[in-house]
Amino acid sequence: DAGVTQSPTHLIKTRGQHVTLRCSPISGHKSVSWYQQVLGQGPQFIFQYYEKEERGRGNFPDRFSARQFPNYSSELNVNALLLGDSALYLCASSLGTGATVSYEQYFGPGTRLTVT
Amino acid sequence: QKEVEQNSGPLSVPEGAIASLNCTYSDRGSQSFFWYRQYSGKSPELIMFIYSNGDKEDGRFTAQLNKASQYVSLLIRDSQPSDSATYLCAVANDYKLSFGAGTTVTVRA
Repeated sequence: DAGVTQSPTHLIKTRGQHVTLRCSPISGHKSVSWYQQVLGQGPQFIFQYYEKEERGRGNFPDRFSARQFPNYSSELNVNALLLGDSALYLCASSLGTGATVSYEQYFGPGTRLTVT
Repeated sequence: QKEVEQNSGPLSVPEGAIASLNCTYSDRGSQSFFWYRQYSGKSPELIMFIYSNGDKEDGRFTAQLNKASQYVSLLIRDSQPSDSATYLCAVANDYKLSFGAGTTVTVRA
């Protein structure tokens, strides 16, 4: 079975531009989460979507937005790019999102975004 | 106080030895605990998860959880050069995973 897929693999943008990153979850998984990882740090939570609804949002500015489609794929959008947005953006897929226990999350290969 | 803290590295162990990785977390309501392995330039790979107090073994890996002490650990037995990577501890609260900064392990041949 295919794992989590993300596109593009690498991206170079200029400050002030907009970017859209895409993610397809593992077949049968209904939840997608987005994380940002800067060099030397662990991933930071941005969003989680479950059944096309936003389940949670991390401490990121409103320039960051996301959505989930009926086929459970997802897009992460970032407006007005800043140099500090340069990072590895990771998408994670899980079966669902639990109230009492969290389902395991499996990561895609990531999109390396460089803002110049 | 950081939500998740890991022992600072890097950790260097000889081939065949046991590598011991530690993690503490601040939120007593945390429900689930995960260990990810991340090779340089790659994305994190889930290697262990544990939900209940005690030990959980999977091959050469053993995860240990003590909720009273808010402590989770990972032991890698018979360490191999292929185990050289950064190990990330992640703690779940409902939908969100909070990660530590990671501990880099180098296995010396």
